[in-house]
Amino acid sequence: EIVMMQSPATLSVSLGERVILSCRASQSVATNLAWYQQKPGQAPRLLIYGASTRATGIPARFSGSGSGTEFTLTISSLQSEDFAVYYCQHYNNWPPLTFGGGTKVEIK
Amino acid sequence: QVQLQESGPGLVKPSETLSLTCTVSGASIRSYFWNWIRQPAGKGLEWIGRVYGSGNTNYIPSLKSRVTMSLDTSKNQFSLRLTSVTAADTAVYYCASSKRGYMDVWGKGTTVTVSS
Repeated sequence: EIVMMQSPATLSVSLGERVILSCRASQSVATNLAWYQQKPGQAPRLLIYGASTRATGIPARFSGSGSGTEFTLTISSLQSEDFAVYYCQHYNNWPPLTFGGGTKVEIK
Repeated sequence: QVQLQESGPGLVKPSETLSLTCTVSGASIRSYFWNWIRQPAGKGLEWIGRVYGSGNTNYIPSLKSRVTMSLDTSKNQFSLRLTSVTAADTAVYYCASSKRGYMDVWGKGTTVTVSS
């Protein structure tokens, strides 16, 4: 089973700041990596797939990069609606699929 | 536009069977992969398994002995059965669709509590 690790667990940021979230896989997942955003009381929403492709309707301020075992999700200028928990998930040589533990982006 | 809606009992007694259904609209159940994911309160996401339009299934190893997923093509629904539940199975359960492994559409989720 591929283990996904996210850091940091919590990130305190101000509006307008650039935010970089990290995700590491215990073995290579190529670019078979997705990012999700989850707000309290809501289901996760797909942001990025293929490590860098934005899902339909996702603003351009969200970008993903990386391959192999190291990935990042960047929010270029944090908006109020971006405060949430972000999860990465691999889909390489699955099942099983596994998610990272999440990074909570909170207001500084 | 694909939409998913979970349904089922919100309370299940320990040692009994949890049964949930996901109703699919906007797509045929014979297409794509159909997944179940759960999330205990305040914790992360756990993929439980998937059922394909052909009826083939894959489950996470830790739950494989207790899980069954199936399709009902006449109702465009898929279902989850989890036997011998304990308090550790208390969670929000989501259904989700996927084409290549990432979850592109999610249901809103349904809370299941295991308690006597």
